[in-house]
This record gives sequence, structure tokens and C-alpha cells, in this order.
Amino acid sequence: AQSVTQLDSQVPVFEEAPVELRCNYSSSVSVYLFWYVQYPNQGLQLLLKYLSGSTLVKGINGFEAEFNKSQTSFHLRKPSVHISDTAEYFCAVSDLRKRDSWGKLQFGAGTQVVVTP
Amino acid sequence: DGGITQSPKYLFRKEGQNVTLSCEQNLNHDAMYWYRQDPGQGLRLIYYSQIVNDFQKGDIAEGYSVSREKKESFPLTVTSAQKNPTAFYLCASSVDSNTGELFFGEGSRLTVL
Repeated sequence: AQSVTQLDSQVPVFEEAPVELRCNYSSSVSVYLFWYVQYPNQGLQLLLKYLSGSTLVKGINGFEAEFNKSQTSFHLRKPSVHISDTAEYFCAVSDLRKRDSWGKLQFGAGTQVVVTP
Repeated sequence: DGGITQSPKYLFRKEGQNVTLSCEQNLNHDAMYWYRQDPGQGLRLIYYSQIVNDFQKGDIAEGYSVSREKKESFPLTVTSAQKNPTAFYLCASSVDSNTGELFFGEGSRLTVL
């Protein structure tokens, strides 16, 4: 089964500074990759997804992520953060090898981003 | 507006009581899911349903039960057999069976006293 590792549990960052959140998954076989954001006491919202094509994926709110198949990574970046980006971010993987993995995302443990003035 | 509605948002129960969390969607999605979220552990899949009248166990189904009598509804019952029920519960649905992209409700926080 797939496993997803988010290497940082918490990332403090100053407003207008860049941020990178790291995500690695366990297998190099075909996968779909996602980043979700969760604001306090709310559900998850999709930031961006990689299904195929260009390895650089752009999402909402100025976020982007790069798929690196050889390193089995899908790191999330934003060049300049705002206070409103304070939230928890989850990386998720859908394994395409198994038909019954349909819709069954494997989530990382999450990275809490705290933006300070 | 289309979306997923979970209720109640906050719920307190005594140990040993069964509780049912509601999840309704008007997105016309076939698939629905229940996840449990605990601090530092990400989301873990409890149950999922790909079509009406069918559902499958996820990774942590013990102590939980579900039903899927209507396409729009996928209630979750947390039974007294669940050893550590205090958690944040998230319901989700999926429009595209090939990609796994999920749409989430706002969650229900259950606290067992």
C-alpha cells in the first residue's frame, strides 16, 4: 500500500516570505497526487492536483507543486505567503495500480503552516 | 449552492452511547466517504460507498457502521464498541471515479465524556 510522508509537521514563516512544504510517497508506479488545505475547524479544500502532463502544477491562491517521479516527491511552494495562508496542508496520493483504490486517497500526516507578520 | 452538509458540527456524548453523524450531498456524486482525523495523524478512511445500497470498510472500520439508502445521504454511526471515539469526522464525496478527487464537508467534532 502507498504511504505518504510529509517531512515537516510545522513550518513557521514570515509574511511575504516563500514557503515549501515537502511530500514524498512510497512508490514510483502510476499515481495521482493532491494537495489539500484545511483551515481551523473546517473541512479540506483542494489546492491543486497532478493527474498527468506537465510536472509543474499551478493551483489556487498562488500555490504550485512539482511532481518528481524519480524522487517520488510532490513538494508544494508559494513564493510569497500571506497571514491568511495559516492553515494545515495535506498531501494525498491515489494509487492507480489497483482498481479498488478508486477514490481511496492515502493522506500524509499534515504540515501546519504558521504565518507571522 | 451544491455541497456537502455535515451535522451536527459539535456533539458531546457519554461513554457507551451510540451516536449518528449526518452527511448529505447535493452534488449528484456516486461515491461518498467517511474519514477520521486525529492530531498529527492525517486522515484515515473509515467507510466508503461507491453506489447506493453498497459500502466497503476502510482502514479503521471497527466500532463504526454506515448505511447508504439514498444517493444523497451517508450517515455514520459511532458505536459503543469504538474504543476511542473522540475525534473530528469528515465526510467527502467524489465525482470522478478515475482520479480520486474528493470534496469535503465541514466536519463534525465528537467528544465523548
